[in-house]
Amino acid sequence: SQKIEQNSEALNIQEGKTATLTCNYTNYSPAYLQWYRQDPGRGPVFLLLIRENEKEKRKERLKVTFDTTLKQSLFHITASQPADSATYLCALEAGRRALTFGSGTRLQVQP
Amino acid sequence: GAGVSQSPSNKVTEKGKDVELRCDPISGHTALYWYRQSLGQGLEFLIYFQGNSAPDKSGLPSDRFSAERTGGSVSTLTIQRTQQEDSAVYLCASSLVRTANEKLFFGSGTQLSVL
Repeated sequence: SQKIEQNSEALNIQEGKTATLTCNYTNYSPAYLQWYRQDPGRGPVFLLLIRENEKEKRKERLKVTFDTTLKQSLFHITASQPADSATYLCALEAGRRALTFGSGTRLQVQP
Repeated sequence: GAGVSQSPSNKVTEKGKDVELRCDPISGHTALYWYRQSLGQGLEFLIYFQGNSAPDKSGLPSDRFSAERTGGSVSTLTIQRTQQEDSAVYLCASSLVRTANEKLFFGSGTQLSVL
């Protein structure tokens, strides 16, 4: 069956360090992968999209990689700040269906 | 409007009652989606609408759930004979079109509590 796996345990890091979140998937062949940020009591907010033929995508302090052989995406936040504390969700396109989301990883950046 | 608007923000109901949740998408967006999120869980797809095409209802968990989109804009998600397991945050999203690389814009959700 199709699965999207994100680490369910919260990631705690110190301010200024690089946070790395992982998204693994099975039985998908997505052409695109997206990352969203969700704050408590709010809906997810789009951050980045990466295509299958792109190895890496950057936006300011954010970097996403996409390895279709490993079926994995890594999401990095460099020089992390307490304001980066949130839950981060990866999402895949599965054929003609709507986006399918992982359960998210909660990031806590300590000052 | 400036963003996706959902109402009510909170709904408390008794088991067995029907509820209606409303979503007002971003003006001009042709695709509209409903997801639900249980506590600490990921987003579960329910249904999406694209223009005048037949909606994809493949995620609706039972026939107690239905949704409609009137005039290609506002959508209503109806849950009949609510059960306690229906308690969750119901999120609506819209996108310009429904394509593989289109980003979704979400509302803040409706927190549904079934007592």
